[in-house]
Amino acid sequence: DAGVIQSPRHEVTEMGQEVTLRCKPISGHDYLFWYRQTMMRGLELLIYFNNNVPIDDSGMPEDRFSAKMPNASFSTLKIQPSEPRDSAVYFCASSLGTGGANVLTFGAGSRLTVL
Amino acid sequence: DAKTTQPPSMDCAEGRAANLPCNHSTISGNEYVYWYRQIHSQGPQYIIHGLKNNETNEMASLIITEDRKSSTLILPHATLRDTAVYYCIVLDNTGTASKLTFGTGTRLQVTL
Repeated sequence: DAGVIQSPRHEVTEMGQEVTLRCKPISGHDYLFWYRQTMMRGLELLIYFNNNVPIDDSGMPEDRFSAKMPNASFSTLKIQPSEPRDSAVYFCASSLGTGGANVLTFGAGSRLTVL
Repeated sequence: DAKTTQPPSMDCAEGRAANLPCNHSTISGNEYVYWYRQIHSQGPQYIIHGLKNNETNEMASLIITEDRKSSTLILPHATLRDTAVYYCIVLDNTGTASKLTFGTGTRLQVTL
């Protein structure tokens, strides 16, 4: 398995632009997580899904952020409009619910820079 | 409300055992101890977890005290590639995902 695949690896955009980050979880995993990492705040859980359904989105910072999981093999995290304070590394992770729900496999991350 | 306490940094000579401590004095009976690490510029990586018995896998060993209030992650023969931030996390393992919350961890520096 190729692991959790994220794209793009790097994104530089200007304030006000829409940003879409993509994630392909490991096949067969039924949990998907989105995390954000900054120097100031460390690793923060934004939202997680179970069987494509959002379970907890309490970490989503504000209405500018939205996440979807249209099917078991794809998820997006969208920021619209983007702001400089959104600059961070965004990680996607997945896990297998049965017996391993908290054993997460992380992707390589998407580094976002908003100018 | 931090559930775990870890030293901010540690050094270890290559080839020696790295022993990373974690205090979790308020752990409850159904909570597991998980360890993850994050190598610079990479996503976090799962290492090991346990409830009360000592655990060992190909990466590390986990020693949990009898009262479960603390644990130690042991990397038996540390290499330069083990330089990373190590996170100790306590949470339920009921079969559904918990909100895995990463604290500040211990920054392990392995040196020649």
